[in-house]
Amino acid sequence: TQLLEQSPQFLSIQEGENLTVYCNSSSVFSSLQWYRQEPGEGPVLLVTVVTGGEVKKLKRLTFQFGDARKDSSLHITAAQPGDTGLYLCAGSRSNDYKLSFGAGTTVTVRA
Amino acid sequence: DAGVTQSPTHLIKTRGQQVTLRCSPKSGHDTVSWYQQALGQGPQFIFQYYEEEERQRGNFPDRFSGHQFPNYSSELNVNALLLGDSALYLCASSLAGIGYTFGSGTRLTVV
Repeated sequence: TQLLEQSPQFLSIQEGENLTVYCNSSSVFSSLQWYRQEPGEGPVLLVTVVTGGEVKKLKRLTFQFGDARKDSSLHITAAQPGDTGLYLCAGSRSNDYKLSFGAGTTVTVRA
Repeated sequence: DAGVTQSPTHLIKTRGQQVTLRCSPKSGHDTVSWYQQALGQGPQFIFQYYEEEERQRGNFPDRFSGHQFPNYSSELNVNALLLGDSALYLCASSLAGIGYTFGSGTRLTVV
């Protein structure tokens, strides 16, 4: 059972469109991270959010941490084919050394 | 600056055999975590090593064991392999549990 639920599971959009990926849990996290993973590679860290309500922007990517620190979203503006990949959210809880991952959202951006 | 190095990249084993996977952490990192990622799933935490001791363990059977060496490198051992052990095994290193860097993984296939 995944502690973090991601939705949607799959997303296919045309280049230039916007998309949002959601990551939800009933647990409170001290921090939440978003990764992107390419086939045959390990996850690459995109961002870490630690404060409830925090919003971080990374070029065309906007990340938000929920006020209660139980959920997060990733929004991509004007998606490009290079944004294609598996997007994973992962949370850390107090007094817990592990990262708990969601099952991931597979994003495909068609040229 | 080398990132996390894992070896081998691919491995095929027969049911009942034993396997050892290796991980060299990113320079300056002292903590190594191992994750199992089944196809279409997010990574699942196996265990974390710090100061050559297993600091935390996930919900994996005793067939999964590990070791950390004085130079911070680590091994993951799996005994009595099952078909269900087929997965991508990821190593992640960090400094005191902050800022995880993942390797590209070892793809294990059990036949």
